[in-house]
Amino acid sequence: NAGVMQNPRHLVRRRGQEARLRCSPMKGHSHVYWYRQLPEEGLKFMVYLQKENIIDESGMPKERFSAEFPKEGPSILRIQQVVRGDSAAYFCASSPPGTSFLYEQYFGPGTRLTVT
Amino acid sequence: AQSVAQPEDQVNVAEGNPLTVKCTYSVSGNPYLFWYVQYPNRGLQFLLKYITGDNLVKGSYGFEAEFNKSQTSFHLKKPSALVSDSALYFCAVRDGTGGYNKLIFGAGTRLAVHP
Repeated sequence: NAGVMQNPRHLVRRRGQEARLRCSPMKGHSHVYWYRQLPEEGLKFMVYLQKENIIDESGMPKERFSAEFPKEGPSILRIQQVVRGDSAAYFCASSPPGTSFLYEQYFGPGTRLTVT
Repeated sequence: AQSVAQPEDQVNVAEGNPLTVKCTYSVSGNPYLFWYVQYPNRGLQFLLKYITGDNLVKGSYGFEAEFNKSQTSFHLKKPSALVSDSALYFCAVRDGTGGYNKLIFGAGTRLAVHP
């Protein structure tokens, strides 16, 4: 049973370019969370999605960042016009459907974004 | 607002000795608490959680955690440390404003187990 998959694992972008991060949840999981980890810090919640719905995006910057989780395919975190401060590790986590708070989240290996 | 604190940036322990990694929390309502471990360049791995029930929670790899409501603590413990336990440990609490596990993480504690 494959775990949470994220790609790419490493992504380098110049300032002003777009970054597109992908997350495939574990088989059977329909809830996806995105977190950001700045160097030497803990993870910070960004957004929580269910299939085709954004449930909570309270941790996501209102400009340049967007997320989606289509009916088919992976969840995508998109960062437009990246700046150096976006350099971080972005982790995706998934959990099973149903009463979500009863279940732990399973994390992917992360995408390390470097903005030059 | 919900928060979690890990007061130690680093914990050093000799192999074979017991280890404790500290975590305190502040929540409104019942706390849902988690411990995760992160190895270099890897994602987080779930160790254990407390939702309700016994105050002593047993988890993966021989780890356990003790929930103490009066002290608002959820310390991670292991009776005998291994060198392979060296990693970054995160305590997390559920932000209980929604019916899902939006987690608030502590800053992490680096555990170093010396041979």
